[in-house]
Amino acid sequence: DIQMTQSPSTLSASLGDRVTITCRASQTVYTWLAWYQQKPGKAPRLLIYDASTLGSEVPSRFSGSGSGTEFSLTISRLQPDDSATYYCQQYNSYSWTFGLGTKVEIK
Amino acid sequence: QLVETGGGFIQPGGSLRLSCAASEFLVSSYYMSWVRQAPGKGLEWVSVIYTGGSTYYADSLKGRFTISRDSSKNTLYLQMNSLRVEDTAVYYCARDVGGGGALDYWGQGTLVTVSS
Repeated sequence: DIQMTQSPSTLSASLGDRVTITCRASQTVYTWLAWYQQKPGKAPRLLIYDASTLGSEVPSRFSGSGSGTEFSLTISRLQPDDSATYYCQQYNSYSWTFGLGTKVEIK
Repeated sequence: QLVETGGGFIQPGGSLRLSCAASEFLVSSYYMSWVRQAPGKGLEWVSVIYTGGSTYYADSLKGRFTISRDSSKNTLYLQMNSLRVEDTAVYYCARDVGGGGALDYWGQGTLVTVSS
């Protein structure tokens, strides 16, 4: 299976900050990568797919980039509603795999 | 909307079938997946069924789970056999965004607890 490594595991930032989360794959996944946001007790929400395509009704402050084995999710200006855990997922090859998550906290 | 049912408390070695009823779209027209999340843990992909009927599973399941669908009921299923304590999780069904593997529409989840 392809291993997905996210960093950092947690981060604390202030409102309005630019925040970047990194996801590294153990082998190439080309651009077959998605990012999700999950809040406690809720189902995940798709933010980005195909590495850089914004999901439906996702605010434009979210963006994704990368290809191959290195990817990033950026929140351009952190908002209160962005406090959540973020996961990357590769769907290049089975078994599809998720990263362990990055918890974003607001200072 | 996706609504999962069928979760509950089950002893190790037992079987359970989860259902995921869809409204507003046809489950047979999309790739549909099951994803699970153990308490306090991250997400784990379980299985997918393609529009053509092909199925794929996480290697870790070793043939214990079976995904299927009933077009007449517009419902997705997950048959889980030989359940283990480590299968305890919230199970989500989810719809594929467009044939790739990214999941854009999720149910609310159903909790499966495997314990003696």
